[in-house]
Amino acid sequence: KAGVTQTPRYLIKTRGQQVTLSCSPISGHRSVSWYQQTPGQGLQFLFEYFSETQRNKGNFPGRFSGRQFSNSRSEMNVSTLELGDSALYLCASSRTSGDSYEQYFGPGTRLTVT
Amino acid sequence: SQKIEQNSEALNIQEGKTATLTCNYTNYSPAYLQWYRQDPGRGPVFLLLIRENEKEKRKERLKVTFDTTLKQSLFHITASQPADSATYLCALPTGGGNKLTFGTGTQLKVEL
Repeated sequence: KAGVTQTPRYLIKTRGQQVTLSCSPISGHRSVSWYQQTPGQGLQFLFEYFSETQRNKGNFPGRFSGRQFSNSRSEMNVSTLELGDSALYLCASSRTSGDSYEQYFGPGTRLTVT
Repeated sequence: SQKIEQNSEALNIQEGKTATLTCNYTNYSPAYLQWYRQDPGRGPVFLLLIRENEKEKRKERLKVTFDTTLKQSLFHITASQPADSATYLCALPTGGGNKLTFGTGTQLKVEL
């Protein structure tokens, strides 16, 4: 079974620009969660989508948004990029939501904002 | 506020010994706790899940304990090998759905 894929793997953007990251979950998985990982703050939850609906949201500004499509693929968008948005963005898929299933993480997208 | 703490210092041990990693939490009453392994430049990989009514869980050379009174989980790797070198993260469900809050992680290095 193919794992979670994320595109692109690396991205360099300039302050003020916007970016869209993509995540394809494992086949049959309906939940996709997004996390931001930085050396200072560690892994922080951004949001979760389940059956095309946002299930949960972390403490991030409204510049961070996401969506999920009917095939469970998900995208996240960051508008008006700031230097502090430089991070590894990870998505994780799970079979369902809220039933203590393990999450399967993708390799991440390394975003650098200059 | 809610907090999850892991050994902040890196843990260096000799091959063949048992590594013990700690995860302490405050202001949570989690129904379960998960452990993940993360290698540099890669996403975390799920290792084990232990529920609040389970005291101990084993998988091959891995053992996890969960003490809800002490609000602590211990993660053991027996007969450790250099290939076990990685960062280990504990995670607790918070806020419903699949939202996990992760600890800061412990970097383990197993030396020959």
